[in-house]
Parts: sequence; C-alpha cells; structure tokens
Amino acid sequence: DAGVIQSPRHEVTEMGQEVTLRCKPISGHDYLFWYRQTMMRGLELLIYFNNNVPIDDSGMPEDRFSAKMPNASFSTLKIQPSEPRDSAVYFCASRPTGTGTNEQFFGPGTRLTVL
Amino acid sequence: SQQGEEDPQALSIQEGENATMNCSYKTSINNLQWYRQNSGRGLVHLILIRSNEREKHSGRLRVTLDTSKKSSSLLITASRAADTASYFCATDKGSNYKLTFGKGTLLTVNP
Repeated sequence: DAGVIQSPRHEVTEMGQEVTLRCKPISGHDYLFWYRQTMMRGLELLIYFNNNVPIDDSGMPEDRFSAKMPNASFSTLKIQPSEPRDSAVYFCASRPTGTGTNEQFFGPGTRLTVL
Repeated sequence: SQQGEEDPQALSIQEGENATMNCSYKTSINNLQWYRQNSGRGLVHLILIRSNEREKHSGRLRVTLDTSKKSSSLLITASRAADTASYFCATDKGSNYKLTFGKGTLLTVNP
C-alpha cells in the first residue's frame, strides 16, 4: 500500500492567497484526520471525517479554514485568505474502523509558508 | 490545551545507552500511544497501551502506564543512531477517535 499521500509537499504563497492542501487516505480507511504542527502549539487536530462526513471540526482555527471530503479517497483543506500565522506543517492521517486500536497512519505532511 | 506533556524536551545520549522519555496527561484516558517523527517526516506509530495495562513490550521498546499518576514512560534500550527522532505521546478517550498529542521529546543518539 502506498500509505497516506499528501500534496503538495511544500507550498510557499503570499498573504491573502488561497491555499489548497490535498490528501489521499489509505484505501479502506474510513476515518481521515487533518492536523497542524507548529513549534509553538505542537500537533493540533483540526478536523476529522468518518465515511466522508465531518464529525468534529472544533479544532478549525477560524472561518478562513475549510475542509471537504467529496469521496472516500480524497480530501482537501483550504485556507482563504492565507495569513503568515498559518505557516506550519499540515498532516493528514487515516485509520480504519474496528481495529480495536486507535492507531493512525500519517502522511508525510505539507510544509506551508505564507509570506 | 495539551493533554500530554513529555519530558524531557530534549535528550542526548550515546549509542548503546538506554533512553527514557516520560509523558503526563490530565484527564482519564482509554489508550495511550507513542509515535516517532523523523525530521521532515510524518509520525509513525510505535506502540499502544490500554488504560487497563501497566506495561507493554515491543522489540527494544518498553512502555509503562500509571493511571493513578496519569503518566507513562517509553524506554528504548540499546539505542542506535537511527533512533534519533522526536517522540510523542498521544492519548484518546476511546469512542471519539480523537488523539491529543504532547509536544514531544527530541532524542539524539550520538554514534
């Protein structure tokens, strides 16, 4: 299996621009998670989906952030407009249901820099 | 707020030595996991311990859990240079599948 795939791996943009991050979960995994990692705040859960439905978006920082999962193999995290404080590494993770554990499988991350 | 807090924040040892990292948390949990993150990479699951377990082993890893003290420790025995990474604990409360991560311990193993 290819693992969780994220694109792009690096993104540099200017303040005010729209940014779209993409994630392909592991096939057969029906939970998908978006995290943000910064030095100051560590790893924070932004939102997670089950069977393509958003379950908990309480970690989404503000209305500039939105996430969608149109099908079981694709999710996007969009920031519009972007701000310098959004600079971080964004991770996508997935997990299957019913394994008896809560192990999550992480993608390699997207390093976002907003100038 | 962070559920898990690891200490030390950074640890530097020589190859062959043992490394111990600790994690404390604030509320009751269902499971506690440890993950490793190599520089510039995603997190990789190492080991999970359930709230009704006290100790677990996997290869060179040993995890303990003390629910009365709300703390866990990760021991890596006979460390190798390849063990150099950041180590995070993550807790969950069971059914909601949300993981709360600590800020991690940066382990450096010098050859």
